[in-house]
Formats: sequence, C-alpha cells, structure tokens
Amino acid sequence: HLQESGPGLVKPSETLSLTCSVSGASINSATYYWGWIRQPSGKAPEWIASIYFNGRTYYNPSLQSRLTTSVDTSKNQISLNLRSVTAADTAVYFCARLRLGYCTNWGQGTLVIVSS
Amino acid sequence: EIVLTQSPGTLSLSPGERATLSCRASQSITSTYLAWYQQKPGQAPRLLIYGASSRATGIPDRFSGSGSGTDFTLTINRLEPEDFAVYYCQQYDNSPWTFGQGTKVEIK
Repeated sequence: HLQESGPGLVKPSETLSLTCSVSGASINSATYYWGWIRQPSGKAPEWIASIYFNGRTYYNPSLQSRLTTSVDTSKNQISLNLRSVTAADTAVYFCARLRLGYCTNWGQGTLVIVSS
Repeated sequence: EIVLTQSPGTLSLSPGERATLSCRASQSITSTYLAWYQQKPGQAPRLLIYGASSRATGIPDRFSGSGSGTDFTLTINRLEPEDFAVYYCQQYDNSPWTFGQGTKVEIK
C-alpha cells in the first residue's frame, strides 16, 4: 500500500513537497524500486523520477533541474521536492512501486494545484 | 525520448465484443519493455500487462498483449461492463519512461 501526502495548494514559484508512505513492503528491496508519476487532468501520466533504496535516482530530463528526491528507510518513505512551480505543474501526483520500469502498484494519488 | 502513439483515441463497443488497441513507438523498443494500464475515473492506473505480453497478477485472461519492435497491441476479448475505461501503454526500455496518450473504450 502506498499513500501520498502533502499540501494540495502551492503558490507559483514555491516548492512542491510530497511524501509517500509505503506499508506492506520494505523500501529496502533489491527487486523493486520506487517512483513518482504525475497526471494533469484529462491527460496521460508523465514519469517524474525513479528512486532506489540506496539513494540512486533517475529523473525525467524535463524536470531534472527542479527536482530533488530522498528516501527514508527508517520511516519506509520516499519524498519529492519540485522547485519553482508554475501552473503547468498542476496535476495528480502518484507514487508507485516499480519493477524494471513498469509500475506494479500505485498510490491513490494526491491533487496538487499551483495557484496564488 | 520515445513517443508512443495510441490508436484509436476512442473505441465504442458493446459488452461481449472484442477490443483491439494499438500502441506504436517512435523507435524500436528493443527488450519488449512495454506495459499496459487500465484507468477508471478518479482512480490510479492499474497494471494489466508487462513485458508486452505477460499478464499482471489477478488480471483476467480475456486481456492479452502482443507485439514487438514498434508495434504493440492490447486485446480484450468479450468486453465486460467493468472493462470500459481508459487504457495507456508505457515503455520502459529507454529513459525517460513515457506513456501513450490513451485509448478510451466506451460503451456503444
């Protein structure tokens, strides 16, 4: 089970911060890794980042300059920070468990609106 | 970046019919690293198929995937009422992973 949490409203130019709490599985997995995907309303999903338990990361080049992710193995959580947000960053943000590169399990998603 | 183009955009069918959904890649996906997801309104996507043709755990056998290279197909035999949804393909052969724009399967 994956559960995203964070503010639903972020002001333009500020930082979007989200946390994903994982239950029923350990973040410390050699088989699976973890990821963030977002989906603007009515559009296709967009892969944001992939994160391994050891901190190794792969970021979407289109977002890389604004992204930071982290892993907290003690809390079994992953986190996402997206800086300098604009209205184009408004979307439902999902965390997911990944194998190879496909998403085996998804969180329910959290809507983030960027607006002043 | 690999661009995935899904067709048709919308498929209007009746329960019991067969649905054939296409996903075409802008360059060859060399390891059949292609997945299919189903998404219903207000829900997260659900994994149906990975590796182009392997069904995920718990997915009924009326769902099947095929294809290689640049052309992939998701087939749904004997549509059930719960199958009417949006379907996305996703490649994980080449970073960044990318999704197609989706095919909506609607009730005719």
